[in-house]
Order: sequence, then C-alpha cells, then structure tokens
Amino acid sequence: AQKITQTQPGMFVQEKEAVTLDCTYDTSDPSYGLFWYKQPSSGEMIFLIYQGSYDQQNATEGRYSLNFQKARKSANLVISASQLGDSAMYFCAMREDSGGSNYKLTFGKGTLLTVNP
Amino acid sequence: DAGVTQSPTHLIKTRGQHVTLRCSPISGHKSVSWYQQVLGQGPQFIFQYYEKEERGRGNFPDRFSARQFPNYSSELNVNALLLGDSALYLCASSGKGVLSWEQYFGPGTRLTVT
Repeated sequence: AQKITQTQPGMFVQEKEAVTLDCTYDTSDPSYGLFWYKQPSSGEMIFLIYQGSYDQQNATEGRYSLNFQKARKSANLVISASQLGDSAMYFCAMREDSGGSNYKLTFGKGTLLTVNP
Repeated sequence: DAGVTQSPTHLIKTRGQHVTLRCSPISGHKSVSWYQQVLGQGPQFIFQYYEKEERGRGNFPDRFSARQFPNYSSELNVNALLLGDSALYLCASSGKGVLSWEQYFGPGTRLTVT
C-alpha cells in the first residue's frame, strides 16, 4: 500500500487565490511527522512546513498552512495568496518514528502546481 | 551560511561504468541522507549516515554504496550502472542528531546513463 498518496497530478490556480494540495498517509506508527517540500524546475527540494503527529495545532509558515486531520490521515497543504513563483512540484512526505526508522522520509508522487497570471 | 552542496551538477555515464557523487552538508550537521528521484516520481531513500556510520538503508541493490568522512561530507558510489539508474540524486543533511526531523536538501546531481 502507498504510504503517501497525492491524488492530484496537476493543479491550476489564479494568482492571488488560495489553493489546497491534497495528501493522505498510511501508518500504524503513533509517532510520525509530515512534511511538505517544494521542488522548482531547478531540482532542489525546499522545505515548506512540518507537522508532528502529536501537535495539537495545525502548522503555519507564512503563506503556507497544513490542514492536519489525524482521524482521516490527511495533511493537506494550503497556500494562500498564490504567487507566480509558487509554480513548482510539491511533495508530501512522512517520517515514521518507531523501529529506528526515523531517519527516512517517504515521499508521495507529487503535485505540479501552476499559477496563472 | 552555505547550504548543502553537491558535485557534480550533471553527469553522463555509460552502462557498466562506475560513478561517485559527492555531498557536503551544512556546517555543523553530522547526518547525511541520499535519495534517488527518477523522472516523474518522488525521491526514494537510499542511505543515511550519521557520525560516519550507516544508520539506514533503503531498498537498493548492493551496487549502491556510500560512506561519510570525518568532516561529515559523503560519497555515494554506484557500480555497474544500468539505464534505470538515470535519475536526480539528492543529498540531505540534518543537524539535530540522528533523530532530527529537519532535513535540508542540496541541488542534486543529475545522472544520465546511456
């Protein structure tokens, strides 16, 4: 089974509008972390936001917020006030903490976001 | 402060050859992880090294090996290259010990095998 599922291969949004990128995850580990990374065409993975499984509040970082619904096992990324520079590939990733495997990130297949002027 | 650096940026090799990719972590970071990203997919974990010891290995054949040096830089070696090894190889460093969640990625090395 896929550990990280991103069901939107591509998304389009108008500049200055908000957009939600979906991510669902699968784990039986009670302790885990969820991440979102942005990958422009240059290839570098840019860390955006992190949510720990025990965090009570949804994470926010500037225009990025993570809509964490633990019971649904979803961790959607919300980008507010989209900018042309937000056009990139976005990856959701998970780190599972048990069994000494907390060094490894498991990534989804990504969502290509295009911001239109 | 300098971020994670990787060399070379691009590389073209022939099937059966050997390749060495290099990574320098952020200053003060002791952990380095390697990922392979095939076109159209998310990165896949290959190795993690912390304090020069291998702490984790992904589902990759023995043709893939790595090491970490006393200055915490790292090399990824791939022997007997196959066409399927063509990918972007990403290095990530983390600085809060082996349990750190905060991984910073380098720009990657794009390997093409012909």
